Amino acid sequence: DAGVTQSPTHLIKTRGQQVTLRCSPKSGHDTVSWYQQALGQGPQFIFQYYEEEERQRGNFPDRFSGHQFPNYSSELNVNALLLGDSALYLCASNALVWDSSDTQYFGPGTRLTVL
Amino acid sequence: GESVGLHLPTLSVQEGDNSIINCAYSNSASDYFIWYKQESGKGPQFIIDIRSNMDKRQGQRVTVLLNKTVKHLSLQIAATQPGDSAVYFCAENKVSVGNSKLTFGKGITLSVRP
Repeated sequence: DAGVTQSPTHLIKTRGQQVTLRCSPKSGHDTVSWYQQALGQGPQFIFQYYEEEERQRGNFPDRFSGHQFPNYSSELNVNALLLGDSALYLCASNALVWDSSDTQYFGPGTRLTVL
Repeated sequence: GESVGLHLPTLSVQEGDNSIINCAYSNSASDYFIWYKQESGKGPQFIIDIRSNMDKRQGQRVTVLLNKTVKHLSLQIAATQPGDSAVYFCAENKVSVGNSKLTFGKGITLSVRP
């Protein structure tokens, strides 16, 4: 049973560029959340997708956008990259049940470096 | 505001001893709390969770205690092993109809001495 997978594992971009990160949820999961983890910090919630719609969003600017596909996989897009966007980007998946939720399981992350 | 935080940044324990990692939270409306373990270069790994209507839950070598009166959460690891060395995060799961989010603290590093 495959867990959460993410690609690529590492990425180097320059300021002003755009980046797309990808995530495949754990088998049986329909909800995907994205988190940003700066070095030495805990993950910060970016947004969550369920039924191909953004359901909840953290305190991140509109430069951060996402998408969920019919097969539940998801993409995170970041436009106009800033140096401060350098971080580990984590994808988590769970099976969302009405008024409750299963545990979120995390992928290995994508390390983004902005130069 | 809501926040989840850890009391100490590092904890060093002798192999075989028990470890206790503490966490404070401020949002009493949280639905449940989760402990994650993160090893270097990896994503957070689920350890154990506890619902807000419980005060104790046990897993394999781990126990989580929840004290809602003082908004305190702890993770106890029995017979700590070198493989337990990692950063530990407590997280608050705030669930509302149709969605959920995790709020993490900064993390505490557990170092196991041989």
